[in-house]
Amino acid sequence: EAGVVQSPRYKIIEKKQPVAFWCNPISGHNTLYWYLQNLGQGPELLIRYENEEAVDDSQLPKDRFSAERLKGVDSTLKIQPAELGDSAVYLCASSLGNRGLGELFFGEGSRLTVL
Amino acid sequence: SQKIEQNSEALNIQEGKTATLTCNYTNYSPAYLQWYRQDPGRGPVFLLLIRENEKEKRKERLKVTFDTTLKQSLFHITASQPADSATYLCAPTDSWGKLQFGAGTQVVVTP
Repeated sequence: EAGVVQSPRYKIIEKKQPVAFWCNPISGHNTLYWYLQNLGQGPELLIRYENEEAVDDSQLPKDRFSAERLKGVDSTLKIQPAELGDSAVYLCASSLGNRGLGELFFGEGSRLTVL
Repeated sequence: SQKIEQNSEALNIQEGKTATLTCNYTNYSPAYLQWYRQDPGRGPVFLLLIRENEKEKRKERLKVTFDTTLKQSLFHITASQPADSATYLCAPTDSWGKLQFGAGTQVVVTP
């Protein structure tokens, strides 16, 4: 069974440019998460989806970040415009939610560098 | 505000010894606590989950304890191997399934 798939793995852009990350969760996982991870830190939640509904987006900087999960399967996270401080790894994770034990399955991440 | 503390310094340990990692939390009453392993350039991988009514959980060479009075979890790797070298993240989880990750502790096992 395929794991959580993310793309691109690496992205280098200049500040003020837009960028988008894509995530395909494990089949059957209704809960999807986007995390941000800075070097030497743990992942920080940006947004959590239950199916197509965003149930926790309190930490998402809505002035420049947006996310969508159409049809409750794959998801896209967008930053527009990007700032230097957005350089980080963006991790996507999925879980069975209440139907599972609670553990998250992570993708390999998308490393963003903003110049 | 909620705070999670893990040993910030890397833990250097000789092969065959037991590594013990600490996770302390404040202003938080998690329903359970998860531990993940993260290798450089990779996403975290789930290892173990322990519930608030469980004192101890084991999986192969891994052991986790959870003391809700002390607000602390200990993570042990027995008979450590160089392949155990990685960063280990603790993640207290509330009853709604919301996790908050610690910064992680790097473990280096030398032959």
